[in-house]
Amino acid sequence: GENVEQHPSTLSVQEGDSAVIKCTYSDSASNYFPWYKQELGKRPQLIIDIRSNVGEKKDQRIAVTLNKTAKHFSLHITETQPEDSAVYFCAAWQTGNQFYFGTGTSLTVIP
Amino acid sequence: GAVVSQHPSRVICKSGTSVKIECRSLDFQATTMFWYRQFPKKSLMLMATSNEGSKATYEQGVEKDKFLINHASLTLSTLTVTSAHPEDSSFYICSARDRTIGQGTFFGQGTRLTVV
Repeated sequence: GENVEQHPSTLSVQEGDSAVIKCTYSDSASNYFPWYKQELGKRPQLIIDIRSNVGEKKDQRIAVTLNKTAKHFSLHITETQPEDSAVYFCAAWQTGNQFYFGTGTSLTVIP
Repeated sequence: GAVVSQHPSRVICKSGTSVKIECRSLDFQATTMFWYRQFPKKSLMLMATSNEGSKATYEQGVEKDKFLINHASLTLSTLTVTSAHPEDSSFYICSARDRTIGQGTFFGQGTRLTVV
């Protein structure tokens, strides 16, 4: 089955700086890669996603890049704000299968 | 966007009793729903995949007789924790997949179960 690894597990950045979270996956059949933000005690919220036929996607301050050859994808948050503080999860999906989640990254943005 | 409603959000029960958690897709049909368990500061652990009209598929190590899943309609799946024990205390989250939005999956609010 698929194995998704996520790094780092914790990340602290100064407000205004950028944050990068990386994930690797093992199964080349995975073709959809969403990123979720989870605030304490709340449900994960989809913040951005990318499909395997695209190399990069951007939505305002958030971007995701995908390298299919190397089987890794990254979340980039620019101009971080305190409200970006949360736990972020990456996931990999195969059509007709299930989501495989990374272990999560606790991001703290220091004002 | 698609909405998934999970109920209750919090429940406290006594050891030995059963608790039912509901997961509803409010504005779309979900042929597949997923049930996760999440420990504090940990990732989501898939417990089972629930397909409408068929038996749920459980992940290895998850007791199907303890965690009963029913997916009776395209908008409702239920998880029943039977004979609950304190070690079952956890945060349980469901998600539902909306085929009309690619592979989009949307999460319920989660249920904080405390067994005393």
